[in-house]
Amino acid sequence: GQQVMQIPQYQHVQEGEDFTTYCNSSTTLSNIQWYKQRPGGHPVFLIQLVKSGEVKKQKRLTFQFGEAKKNSSLHITATQTTDVGTYFCAGYNAGNNRKLIWGLGTSLAVNP
Amino acid sequence: KAGVTQTPRYLIKTRGQQVTLSCSPISGHRSVSWYQQTPGQGLQFLFEYFSETQRNKGNFPGRFSGRQFSNSRSEMNVSTLELGDSALYLCASSSIGGTYEQYFGPGTRLTVT
Repeated sequence: GQQVMQIPQYQHVQEGEDFTTYCNSSTTLSNIQWYKQRPGGHPVFLIQLVKSGEVKKQKRLTFQFGEAKKNSSLHITATQTTDVGTYFCAGYNAGNNRKLIWGLGTSLAVNP
Repeated sequence: KAGVTQTPRYLIKTRGQQVTLSCSPISGHRSVSWYQQTPGQGLQFLFEYFSETQRNKGNFPGRFSGRQFSNSRSEMNVSTLELGDSALYLCASSSIGGTYEQYFGPGTRLTVT
């Protein structure tokens, strides 16, 4: 079945370092969403990318959607302790817009 | 707008029992999805309801079932509980049939002993 692979599974960084998590789908996606889940919390929607090659920024966060719409990345510049949490990507299959396929998430730990 | 609410927040059950969890979506949202979250397994999709109809289903055994009411509130039921059912159960609502972003509730932490 369709899969969305997310790497790395875990990442430890020093505060101020950059961080990137990658999402790769086995099939073409119609769009991709990113969520953040703080420890003890629930996933919170961050952004949705729809267009091939799309790049969106939210302050220190940069989101990219690949040209083939099969991969995506989230890059955080100069991490802060408030960035701690698990980042999930989730995409809709281009052929079936009704089922969201989730990556397993990347857990980010930031050392102050 | 009030967010997604889930009740109860915590639950302890014993093996073999059954449990019903409730989810109230954001007002106006007609799609409700349920997820099981366990450490290291990410978010496992259970099912999605839209306008009282199950639109999608994940790969869970028939012990897991759900329903949606006319006011979009949803319930999920797990019968014959097993130890492996211990997890955080998350409900998410969406404005248009799941095409758009999902808004999650705080979850119900189920512990099966």
